[in-house]
Amino acid sequence: QSAPTQPPSASGSPGQSVTISCTGTSSDVGVSNYVSWYQQHPGEAPKLIIYEVNKRPSGVPDRFSGSKSGNTASLTVSGLQAEDEADYYCKSHEGGNFGGGTKLTVL
Amino acid sequence: EVQLVESGGGLVQPGGSLRLSCVGSGFDFSGFWINWVRRAPGQGLEGVAGMSPDGSEKYCVGSVEGRFTVSRDNTKRSLYLQMNGLRAEDTAVYYCTRDSGYSKFDLWGQGTLVTVSS
Repeated sequence: QSAPTQPPSASGSPGQSVTISCTGTSSDVGVSNYVSWYQQHPGEAPKLIIYEVNKRPSGVPDRFSGSKSGNTASLTVSGLQAEDEADYYCKSHEGGNFGGGTKLTVL
Repeated sequence: EVQLVESGGGLVQPGGSLRLSCVGSGFDFSGFWINWVRRAPGQGLEGVAGMSPDGSEKYCVGSVEGRFTVSRDNTKRSLYLQMNGLRAEDTAVYYCTRDSGYSKFDLWGQGTLVTVSS
């Protein structure tokens, strides 16, 4: 199966909100209750920030939220902070592949 | 401490072999799928291989099938990746990660760098 499509880049100013999309198909993201999102800072391991579409692991700020509509899942980062600058990846259980990744820049 | 620790990376010539190891601690290693995920320079994350808790199921992504073999030894709390016939495009940081169910990769190691170059 092909990887979900993510925009290669996104940006916002501190305090603003940014939404990153993850578009799959009706065979993966579209039917999945198991979409997860990962944050990766340069030189560090990825970190789980959203699972099961909209659930946050303990310790992840509530500024991070997930949702899904049709074949597209979304990650919203509200109240952008400098430390949110990182690469973000989506993954659905049914699809298997990670999305191509989105580099989030905080202006 | 709950953690995964990878080792075994290094510099290898094209066509060479390496064996990566991942040791888990602080949790029931034998109760989880454990996977290898890599990130090549300038690229995104790619799932490479994984194995079920009891070793009865495993997978390797198409680009490494026939060259890489995943195995585990639960008595040693370890997952392995035997990599043969290495190519330049296998150059990446290799992470092991725990799947807590339905691709919820909630624990990651720090990664081990594999460089394939002459």
